[in-house]
Amino acid sequence: SSELTQDPAVSVALGQTVRITCQGDSLRTYYASWYQQKPGQAPVLVIHGKNDRPSGIPDRFSGSSSGNTASLTITGAQAEDEADFYCSSRDSSGDHYVFATGTKVTVL
Amino acid sequence: EVQLVESGGSLVQPGGSLRLSCAASGFTFSSYWMHWVRQAPGKGLVWVSRIDSDGSSTKYADSVKGRFTMSRDNAKNTLYLQMNSLRAEDTAVYYCVRESTHDRDAFDIWGQGTMVTVSS
Repeated sequence: SSELTQDPAVSVALGQTVRITCQGDSLRTYYASWYQQKPGQAPVLVIHGKNDRPSGIPDRFSGSSSGNTASLTITGAQAEDEADFYCSSRDSSGDHYVFATGTKVTVL
Repeated sequence: EVQLVESGGSLVQPGGSLRLSCAASGFTFSSYWMHWVRQAPGKGLVWVSRIDSDGSSTKYADSVKGRFTMSRDNAKNTLYLQMNSLRAEDTAVYYCVRESTHDRDAFDIWGQGTMVTVSS
């Protein structure tokens, strides 16, 4: 299967840690990339590769992977982290790309 | 400043055609593979298509293959998406996206998107 699955929603208390997971067979071969999307805005790349953060992304965002599961962790969540988060990867063919359905993160 | 600016979105009838454009600036456009990603209202992101740096190779999602054509003009720093035989389910914001050269599985720059509405 080339699908990626995420939990629809998760909440975290301000300053606490939250982990968002993404599962799919293609993740055994390809790393996931993670995107943050706030309402009315374009997505922003926050984590890619083994655990790489683009310039400007806070170090409270980190990534990991094991088997068919990739994870995005926000350590010390801030109010501004409230957003939809999407993982993506290549599909099993390697020629196409797939996004999961996204996880809405609410910071309480 | 690295920037992607889409244009061309509008209201179109089912079965109609539309061409989206994406103007790139602030980077060497001809060195990058580019993608289109769409997002239906209230829904998630969906990958649409990809083109290599010189325009010689393209790939499409099954849902648009045979109806959409992606192309580029490196002299004009512009990316295109020709959309034919449009359907209601093609209604979405269409994002022009740059593929990272450091990680070919990551999309590092996104445009602001252009809205396409397919309706009679």
